[in-house]
Amino acid sequence: AQSVTQPDIHITVSEGASLELRCNYSYGATPYLFWYVQSPGQGLQLLLKYFSGDTLVQGIKGFEAEFKRSQSSFNLRKPSVHWSDAAEYFCARIYGNKLVFGAGTILRVKS
Amino acid sequence: DVKVTQSSRYLVKRTGEKVFLECVQDMDHENMFWYRQDPGLGLRLIYFSYDVKMKEKGDIPEGYSVSREKKERFSLILESASTNQTSMYLCASSLRQGDSPLHFGNGTRLTVT
Repeated sequence: AQSVTQPDIHITVSEGASLELRCNYSYGATPYLFWYVQSPGQGLQLLLKYFSGDTLVQGIKGFEAEFKRSQSSFNLRKPSVHWSDAAEYFCARIYGNKLVFGAGTILRVKS
Repeated sequence: DVKVTQSSRYLVKRTGEKVFLECVQDMDHENMFWYRQDPGLGLRLIYFSYDVKMKEKGDIPEGYSVSREKKERFSLILESASTNQTSMYLCASSLRQGDSPLHFGNGTRLTVT
């Protein structure tokens, strides 16, 4: 089945701590992968994307993600979280002509 | 910068009403999409369109229809609203098929009572 899994529904980190949000996807050749962020009351904003090449991808707002084919994963990372990073994060993958999203991970940042 | 505008931020409708959700994009994008967003389920694709007057069903099309008479406008129609269609609806557009990222509107929160 075409699916994108985000195992963590909620994550809480302290401001200044590092962050890793997990994402796994089901089958396929080299996937087109995305991370989006949704701040409260807003639409989704693209953080970064992976299509091919270097498996470590840099995005906006200091985020990066690493594609690991052997683990079917595309985890999002940030070395030092800011309070403004509190939001919901979605991993997504293209299957055929559709973009399929994971269920999302809500990030809470405590001061 | 791409702008995707959804005409209503909040809507409250009664069961059985016909509901129109409007979406306009200003970047001459080929593709437009309607998703619904529910807690714990992420975004699920309702319908999408790759060209004017063209539409394709997504994963959850039941109870919905769409219209794309002009390239910039993509309407989602609930023929007879039901309470289980209470949700956040997100419109998106992209330049072309495949690897183009989606640009999203801010969403319409629909409540059906």
